Amino acid sequence: DTAVSQTPKYLVTQMGNDKSIKCEQNLGHDTMYWYKQDSKKFLKIMFSYNNKELIINETVPNRFSPKSPDKAHLNLHINSLELGDSAVYFCASSQVGGEDTQYFGPGTRLTVL
Amino acid sequence: DAKTTQPNSMESNEEEPVHLPCNHSTISGTDYIHWYRQLPSQGPEYVIHGLTSNVNNRMASLAIAEDRKSSTLILHRATLRDAAVYYCILAEDSGGSNYKLTFGKGTLLTVNP
Repeated sequence: DTAVSQTPKYLVTQMGNDKSIKCEQNLGHDTMYWYKQDSKKFLKIMFSYNNKELIINETVPNRFSPKSPDKAHLNLHINSLELGDSAVYFCASSQVGGEDTQYFGPGTRLTVL
Repeated sequence: DAKTTQPNSMESNEEEPVHLPCNHSTISGTDYIHWYRQLPSQGPEYVIHGLTSNVNNRMASLAIAEDRKSSTLILHRATLRDAAVYYCILAEDSGGSNYKLTFGKGTLLTVNP
């Protein structure tokens, strides 16, 4: 069974559109994350949720809105897509604590035309 | 910004040991040292982590300097499947036992047959 899954795997869309990426984890973890990896391969954390509560919110435009309907799901909604939003977005999950491993999903490659 | 420094790239031969260095001179007492790797077109994968003592697992060993300002990931016998970008990361306490991973550029490991 896939531990952390994301849909879709690829997403191609026009500038100005609104799109969502879904993430689900079946590990029973309390904490979930969204990361963005740009064309230069830098991987940066965007958000972190613990038991449906936002705990980390890096400097991300408010066009990005994470939504956690339950602790197994963390979806990312992006409004008014821009060219610079093109990247690979990774979801991850972990239990709480610095000792805890983060398990990453396979990534969603978003291309904004 | 990442608080670790790693060489951009390293090369190894198959079946030989590999020592991947990392400097983290600004590490604080509560920061854990984590290593992740990212194979091409995949999400990051946990390798190993530690706080003060050296650690071993089935994938690798982690040697932590006594002053904790540097560490070395050791792959005992490199295989072609170990070719990846290896990230050395400080897991920083963001409050409430929640930790944040800040990825740097990582080291691209090439394994020659």
